[in-house]
Amino acid sequence: DSGVTQTPKHLITATGQRVTLRCSPRSGDLSVYWYQQSLDQGLQFLIQYYNGEERAKGNILERFSAQQFPDLHSELNLSSLELGDSALYFCASSVELNSFGENNEQFFGPGTRLTVL
Amino acid sequence: KNQVEQSPQSLIILEGKNCTLQCNYTVSPFSNLRWYKQDTGRGPVSLTIMTFSENTKSNGRYTATLDADTKQSSLHITASQLSDSASYICVVSGRNQGGKLIFGQGTELSVKP
Repeated sequence: DSGVTQTPKHLITATGQRVTLRCSPRSGDLSVYWYQQSLDQGLQFLIQYYNGEERAKGNILERFSAQQFPDLHSELNLSSLELGDSALYFCASSVELNSFGENNEQFFGPGTRLTVL
Repeated sequence: KNQVEQSPQSLIILEGKNCTLQCNYTVSPFSNLRWYKQDTGRGPVSLTIMTFSENTKSNGRYTATLDADTKQSSLHITASQLSDSASYICVVSGRNQGGKLIFGQGTELSVKP
């Protein structure tokens, strides 16, 4: 158990809908990362938040957005869902070791499996 | 383009045998390289993390090596166990990229009795 929790574990929805995935980082971790893992692709970095502010952005679609709240939990919002959005979505957290967050170990949650029908 | 490539794509070995997985990267400037183990449908778990100044690091039966000059890394698994069956992912972090990680496609290892 990494200490990172994600809810829900599974989510089934229809195309065009909007969903929210939730992540609670390990106690004391200020940084939260979101990743997407599709069947035919490896893990893809989506976005990072540090202490409530966006720190880095990866291949995140405009239909997707995220935020980190004052209690440090984070939510990933996916809207206008398409079949291709079906994937495992992972959240990870870390303690920053320098101003750029380098050399930090990331601890991954168990993931949310999203199925878009 | 920053990339991480792993080989082989998949590997089947007998329980008790050793194996070595390879990783080549083009990420520059380089900050650190990690190896993760991911069981099917679960989150990745960190095995090792190495900076450019480290060329070997062990975690139990797992030993990772890093050659920052040739931009190559390997993960050696000794005396494999059935529980080692998983995907092993090489991940590279670039300098001044914040916490952004670049993932390889992984090597799917299957350990048979």
